[in-house]
Amino acid sequence: IVMTQSPATLSVSPGERATLSCRASQSVSNNLAWYQQKVGQAPRLLIYGASTRATGIPARFSGSGSGTEVTLTISSLQSEDFAVYYCQQYNNWPPTFGQGTKVEIK
Amino acid sequence: QVQLVQSGAEVKKPGSSVKVSCKASGGTFSNNTVSWVRQAPGQGLEWMGRIIPLLGLGNYAQKFQGRVTITADKSLSAVYMDLSGLRSEDTAVYYCTVMSMVVTGWFDPWGQGTLVTVSS
Repeated sequence: IVMTQSPATLSVSPGERATLSCRASQSVSNNLAWYQQKVGQAPRLLIYGASTRATGIPARFSGSGSGTEVTLTISSLQSEDFAVYYCQQYNNWPPTFGQGTKVEIK
Repeated sequence: QVQLVQSGAEVKKPGSSVKVSCKASGGTFSNNTVSWVRQAPGQGLEWMGRIIPLLGLGNYAQKFQGRVTITADKSLSAVYMDLSGLRSEDTAVYYCTVMSMVVTGWFDPWGQGTLVTVSS
C-alpha cells in the first residue's frame, strides 16, 4: 500500500492549528499510526489505531479518519512540535510509511 | 517497557557486509516482534524486515530479500541485522523497533539508530 502525505511542508505560527493529511492507495481501515521525528532523533509514536494517543502524548495531538483518508491535527503548535511527521499503515503486509510532512515555523 | 540500545556507527566498503545489534535494556524480547527500519539521508522511513525472537522466524521486505538476515540470540536479549552486498545507496541510519503485534502493527519503542556509511 502506498501512503501519500500532504503537504510536504507546512509553515505554521506557534499557537496555530496544523492539519496533516495521509492518503492510502487502498483502505487501511483504522490501522494507521503517526510518528514525530526531530532532527537527529529516532521517530516517536504519537497515535495508533488512527485516533488513540500513545502513552504520554499531549492532548493537543489528535488523529481522525479511516479507510483511505486520515488526518493528524495539532491543535495549538508549541515550539517543540516543529518536526517531521510520518504516517504508517499496518493493515496490509508489509507495513509502509508515508514520505513525511515537515512542520516548520512560519 | 523494554528500551532498545543499538551498536555504534559503522563505515564499510562497497560489497562488504555490516552487522548491527539491538539489545534490550530492562527486559527481553521474549514477548515481542522486532523490526528494522532504515532512513537514508534526508529521506523517509523504510521497513526492512522483522523477527519473532522466540521462534527465530524472520520476514523481509521484497526489496531486501537475499541481502538481509535478521537473527536473535538465544537469551532473547539481542537482535541482529546483517546486510550484505553493501552499496552507496545503503548509507542510512538503521533503527530497530518493537512491533506492537506478532504479525503487524505500529512501532514503539525505537532504538537510537545506527549510522552505516558505505564509501570506498
